[in-house]
Amino acid sequence: GAGVSQSPSNKVTEKGKDVELRCDPISGHTALYWYRQSLGQGLEFLIYFQGNSAPDKSGLPSDRFSAERTGGSVSTLTIQRTQQEDSAVYLCASSARGGTKHNEQFFGPGTRLTVL
Amino acid sequence: AQSVTQPDIHITVSEGASLELRCNYSYGATPYLFWYVQSPGQGLQLLLKYFSGDTLVQGIKGFEAEFKRSQSSFNLRKPSVHWSDAAEYFCAVSRSGGGADGLTFGKGTHLIIQP
Repeated sequence: GAGVSQSPSNKVTEKGKDVELRCDPISGHTALYWYRQSLGQGLEFLIYFQGNSAPDKSGLPSDRFSAERTGGSVSTLTIQRTQQEDSAVYLCASSARGGTKHNEQFFGPGTRLTVL
Repeated sequence: AQSVTQPDIHITVSEGASLELRCNYSYGATPYLFWYVQSPGQGLQLLLKYFSGDTLVQGIKGFEAEFKRSQSSFNLRKPSVHWSDAAEYFCAVSRSGGGADGLTFGKGTHLIIQP
């Protein structure tokens, strides 16, 4: 596709349930990023992948959060045992590698997660 | 650790007037700096970026920004705003300079355009 796509666009879940959020980066982009946007915390960086590996997972808010990327393309962010404070918009971005485009990140439309 | 401060939570400007949004950063080395815009219900769109070289960078939609190392600032400017510029603006710094890594964002400035 032309841009970063995310699914679902909206997700409503009950407290304690697990959710999976999906991100499909721009074709050819090697790096993929997850962020969270909430009223109280603003935009927070969660994790990034270079290829299939995630060098730094320290931005994940708790051990209930995990992410994986397979085949150097699609990534899923999983939140286990969701809590109300997990309610936010989860944004995905991707970037190409090398030259002046390095770390120029293109964002998807986000997944709005509501935990009841 | 790096940080970004956007001192103005809200700014109101008349249509046609000039605009300057402030951004200050804290980073130990040469920063990679970005400005993003987020319109209501829309995703983040990159306006411009600074990596190195000329400290005055041009972006899309008529925006420009100037990197001032002595002031640790990267302010966004536009000579004449349009009603369509009403949005949330975010300044960001790359966590570790060049290379793929997360961005640290400021809290954002909400721009209101008066007719």
